[in-house]
Amino acid sequence: NAGVMQNPRHLVRRRGQEARLRCSPMKGHSHVYWYRQLPEEGLKFMVYLQKENIIDESGMPKERFSAEFPKEGPSILRIQQVVRGDSAAYFCASSPRGLAGKVYEQYFGPGTRLTVT
Amino acid sequence: ILNVEQSPQSLHVQEGDSTNFTCSFPSSNFYALHWYRWETAKSPEALFVMTLNGDEKKKGRISATLNTKEGYSYLYIKGSQPEDSATYLCAPLYNNNDMRFGAGTRLTVKP
Repeated sequence: NAGVMQNPRHLVRRRGQEARLRCSPMKGHSHVYWYRQLPEEGLKFMVYLQKENIIDESGMPKERFSAEFPKEGPSILRIQQVVRGDSAAYFCASSPRGLAGKVYEQYFGPGTRLTVT
Repeated sequence: ILNVEQSPQSLHVQEGDSTNFTCSFPSSNFYALHWYRWETAKSPEALFVMTLNGDEKKKGRISATLNTKEGYSYLYIKGSQPEDSATYLCAPLYNNNDMRFGAGTRLTVKP
């Protein structure tokens, strides 16, 4: 059973370009979470998604960032018009159930390291 | 703003020593606490999920306790080994689905 997959592992973008980060959850997991680790900081929650639904996006910057988790295919974190401050490691995690109700552990992917030049 | 504090920030111990560190968190609307182990250049790995006051969990030489009333959790490592070297993160989860991560305790075990 493959773990959480993220691609690309490393992404370089120039200022103003778009960045698309992909996350394929573990088999059987229907809940995905995105986190960002800025240099010298800890993990910060961004968004929590279920298939075709955004459950909690309280950690997402209001502009330029969006996330989706379609019925088919991976979850996508999209950053439009990237700026240098977006350079960070972006991790996604998946769980078989949501955070409410029975609490399940989250399984993390290897992360995508975004560098904006 | 919820403040999750972990102490100490870093810890150096000798192989064979037992050690422990603390996670403090706001207890209002608390739902569950996660502990993760994060090795350099890897992704966080789940260790424990605890929900009830007084919960104790154990995995091998690592164990954790939870006090939800006063808002703290202890992680213990018995007989530390070099492979235990990692950053240990705690992440409380609240009733509104808010999940926060502490900054972590970076453990280095010297052979």
